[in-house]
Amino acid sequence: ETGVTQSPTHLIKTRGQQVTLRCSSQSGHNTVSWYQQALGQGPQFIFQYYREEENGRGNFPPRFSGLQFPNYSSELNVNALELDDSALYLCASSWGQGAGYFGPGTRLTVL
Amino acid sequence: AQSVAQPEDQVNVAEGNPLTVKCTYSVSGNPYLFWYVQYPNRGLQFLLKYITGDNLVKGSYGFEAEFNKSQTSFHLKKPSALVSDSALYFCAVRDKGAGNMLTFGGGTRLMVKP
Repeated sequence: ETGVTQSPTHLIKTRGQQVTLRCSSQSGHNTVSWYQQALGQGPQFIFQYYREEENGRGNFPPRFSGLQFPNYSSELNVNALELDDSALYLCASSWGQGAGYFGPGTRLTVL
Repeated sequence: AQSVAQPEDQVNVAEGNPLTVKCTYSVSGNPYLFWYVQYPNRGLQFLLKYITGDNLVKGSYGFEAEFNKSQTSFHLKKPSALVSDSALYFCAVRDKGAGNMLTFGGGTRLMVKP
């Protein structure tokens, strides 16, 4: 098991609502990345935070936003939820150019 | 732009036989390459990575991967498969000049039969 934790484990929302997902980094890691994994697909990069600033973003609309806190934990916020946002959301923490260590994920279902 | 292809949706192998899960990649610069494994309803577990150096990389649980620059491949291998190796395997690439963003392949389901 990695030291990366995510909450909640599962979440059900309705279309148009807003959601916040949380991630605690592995100790000593200063970079957090978020990925969306739709059913049957590989993870897709959403964005990355380094020292509390976004420093990379994938092809996701602005309604996907995030924060990184001084203790390097992170939040992913999604506004105006759509049915296609239903997926497993993974966060990964890393230090420098090291491998990303992934948390167990949050499964979001949008009805 | 970087990309990864895993040409096989599923690989079937008998327990005790060698296994290979294929991966090819495309990056504009020099690659960092990774293999992850995912068990049902779980996150991704890191298996191994290639950064530089020896082309044969050894990782967790007896897995290894061979980096081939001329063929832009990074195939995952194991000399003797176990039933417990049955899972979903993802290859990922990161361009050394592109921060920590990983691009994943679509995944290959490995089925090891007793």
